[in-house]
Parts: sequence; C-alpha cells; structure tokens
Amino acid sequence: KNQVEQSPQSLIILEGKNCTLQCNYTVSPFSNLRWYKQDTGRGPVSLTIMTFSENTKSNGRYTATLDADTKQSSLHITASQLSDSASYICVVSAGYSSASKIIFGSGTRLSIRP
Amino acid sequence: EPEVTQTPSHQVTQMGQEVILRCVPISNHLYFYWYRQILGQKVEFLVSFYNNEISEKSEIFDDQFSVERPDGSNFTLKIRSTKLEDSAMYFCASSTGVVRQNNQPQHFGDGTRLSIL
Repeated sequence: KNQVEQSPQSLIILEGKNCTLQCNYTVSPFSNLRWYKQDTGRGPVSLTIMTFSENTKSNGRYTATLDADTKQSSLHITASQLSDSASYICVVSAGYSSASKIIFGSGTRLSIRP
Repeated sequence: EPEVTQTPSHQVTQMGQEVILRCVPISNHLYFYWYRQILGQKVEFLVSFYNNEISEKSEIFDDQFSVERPDGSNFTLKIRSTKLEDSAMYFCASSTGVVRQNNQPQHFGDGTRLSIL
C-alpha cells in the first residue's frame, strides 16, 4: 500500500534554532518527492522537488535530503524564524502508469517560539 | 508573482444541492488539479486535467464530481449532489508540467472552504 509517514507530528523550537523533519514512504514506483509549507488557512507552497537521482536540494534555509534506498527524506531548517511556523508536508508521486498516485503525508506542525 | 486564485473563499450549501468551485490557474500553466483536505486530515488528490480532459483521478472522484475548463481561464469543480462528508477545504493547483513526472512545481490557491449543512 502506498503510504507517506511524517514525524514528528508536531514540533516546537526556539527562534534561531535548527530542526529536521522526517518523511518515510512506501510509494512504488517512485517518481518524485516534494516538500511543501502550508501556513494556516493558506494553500501549500512548494519548497523542494527531488527525483530518484537527487540526494539533496536546497531552497534558502531549507535543505531536503532523499535516500531512495531506505525510502526516507528529511527537511532541515536552519536558523529558524517566526515565519517558519507552519505545517510541512511531504508528498510522494508514484510514476508513470495510469494508476499513478500522488500521496500526501499528514504533515509536521512546526511552531517557532520567540 | 502570478497566483492561482479560487472563489469563493467559503461556500455554505445545503445537502443535496449542486456546488461549483472556481479556480483561475496561472495563465501559462497547462496542467490543473483539484485536491481536498478534510479538517484535521491529509490533503487528498482528486483529479488532474490536461488538454481539456481528465488525465488522472482518484477513487474519491466518483460520478458526483466533474471538472471543466469552460473558457481559457477558469477551471471548475462541480459536485452534483453534495453530502455532509463533502465538507472540506478544496484546493486548486496548476503547473507547467506533469507533477508526477517532472520537476515543475505546483502552485496552489488558498482554497475554498466548503461547508455542507
């Protein structure tokens, strides 16, 4: 069964600290993995997109990693800011056949405290 | 920066009524999507649309749902006879390429909150 699991479910850190969010998936065949940021009441915003051959992708203070062998991804946020408070969603796309799927994780709710 | 816009932001409808949710994708995008997010749950893929036809749909997207691109700008989701369980946030998204196959980002609207009474 295609699944995307994220941990932790929620996280509170102090402003300026770093954090890492985890995503494990069992989607097959793998096509790509995306991390989104979703502010409360808003639509998701794309942070990074990685295909099978990519191990790491950065977007400013956000760095995503992908281990296709272990089917794990992480999103590292450095020097957190109050505006980073949001839900971070991992999305994995299964490829190429007519039964392809786009599977969303439940998200990690990140709260940055001053 | 161009945005995906959705209207209305909140729709309240009686059970059994038809509802149409509207989206204006980014103008040069070719692929269009609808997702839903029931309160407290994951975002779920509903349907993707390309070249004036459905390219993929999920199990959720049954005969009660339909999509249309009636003109060059709007992309609509119609629910023919709404049920209580259709209450959710509905997100529209667009991209220049196919989400599952390439590296083009999806751009999401801010959603329509649909409440079925």
